[in-house]
Amino acid sequence: TQLLEQSPQFLSIQEGENLTVYCNSSSVFSSLQWYRQEPGEGPVLLVTVVTGGEVKKLKRLTFQFGDARKDSSLHITAAQPGDTGLYLCAGFNSGGSNYKLTFGKGTLLTVNP
Amino acid sequence: ETGVTQSPTHLIKTRGQQVTLRCSSQSGHNTVSWYQQALGQGPQFIFQYYREEENGRGNFPPRFSGLQFPNYSSELNVNALELDDSALYLCASSLEDNTEAFFGQGTRLTVV
Repeated sequence: TQLLEQSPQFLSIQEGENLTVYCNSSSVFSSLQWYRQEPGEGPVLLVTVVTGGEVKKLKRLTFQFGDARKDSSLHITAAQPGDTGLYLCAGFNSGGSNYKLTFGKGTLLTVNP
Repeated sequence: ETGVTQSPTHLIKTRGQQVTLRCSSQSGHNTVSWYQQALGQGPQFIFQYYREEENGRGNFPPRFSGLQFPNYSSELNVNALELDDSALYLCASSLEDNTEAFFGQGTRLTVV
């Protein structure tokens, strides 16, 4: 069974601070995706990383895929209250004809004004 | 907005009853996956449908079943509901390569 461990589970910071969220696994994934989910809504895809060592930037968000494609991090610079939400990482593997996402439990981020 | 719509948005059922949840996939997407998200957890893969056939299944009992229709919309059926089935049920649509999945807003099921 493939598992994704996210840390920290909860994070409460002040507006303007920087933060990093980690996603770790003992398994290799074809790609890894980061989602943001707000209460009562479905997850919204932020980014997909595919190549080991890949770094992608989305405004104040920086995503990195580990060289071995087993772990990833999300760094947010100068966090804003609008960044509040549940951040989920999900590993993607193609097993035969079965494609599925394996999700971590998420990091619940609260950015206080 | 992703274009994936789920109905109903909220539902309350009694233990032992049966429930049907519905999902309309994003235009052009032929693959639909269903996930269960319990409170405080990440989504767990239930199963996936491609071209009207089940294309993979997670660790869920047979009382969880599904259908996909020619227009690629899908249903999730759960029989003999248990209290632990209370969760947010998410539908995600994608192309067959599954490189990007787009989620609906979910159906919040409460079993009492």
